[in-house]
Amino acid sequence: DVKVTQSSRYLVKRTGEKVFLECVQDMDHENMFWYRQDPGLGLRLIYFSYDVKMKEKGDIPEGYSVSREKKERFSLILESASTNQTSMYLCASSSNRWGRDEKLFFGSGTQLSVL
Amino acid sequence: SQQGEEDPQALSIQEGENATMNCSYKTSINNLQWYRQNSGRGLVHLILIRSNEREKHSGRLRVTLDTSKKSSSLLITASRAADTASYFCATDPTQGAQKLVFGQGTRLTINP
Repeated sequence: DVKVTQSSRYLVKRTGEKVFLECVQDMDHENMFWYRQDPGLGLRLIYFSYDVKMKEKGDIPEGYSVSREKKERFSLILESASTNQTSMYLCASSSNRWGRDEKLFFGSGTQLSVL
Repeated sequence: SQQGEEDPQALSIQEGENATMNCSYKTSINNLQWYRQNSGRGLVHLILIRSNEREKHSGRLRVTLDTSKKSSSLLITASRAADTASYFCATDPTQGAQKLVFGQGTRLTINP
């Protein structure tokens, strides 16, 4: 059974802290994605990666960075957390370099609160 | 920018009734997908329809696609309380970076 695991379901951090959100997939997928989800705004893509050590900016990369040192792991980093980064963060993966008809597999999400 | 726009934003019906949700989009697509999200959880893929298909079925789900109107609908027949969730459409645009673009979702409530 395919699985995308996000390290924390709930996280509370202080303004200015460096925050790491971890995501691991066990499906040997090439592609991994980080979205944030806010009420009324739907899902917005932050960063994605098609391969180890590569990354691409999504629609809202400001204030975030990512790391993909191993194929199965994709980390989202908030260098200096701010209150407007309070959100639900969703990690997803898909199999090959955007072959047609790819579907995403999502983790359960991390609800991050920045105080 | 949002590619998919779902309509209605919220829908409440009685158990056993059919639920219809609509999605409109702006650019040419390779396919359109529907996902479901239970409260506070991740999204789960439901069904994919390609741009050259007009209708697709999966169990109690029926999806239609009208590329001339740039719209899709998701029909859930004989709804159950367990169908209560948010439903999102996502489009795979033919142009630009190859990534899915999600709409804002429809919140569906099935009343027992």
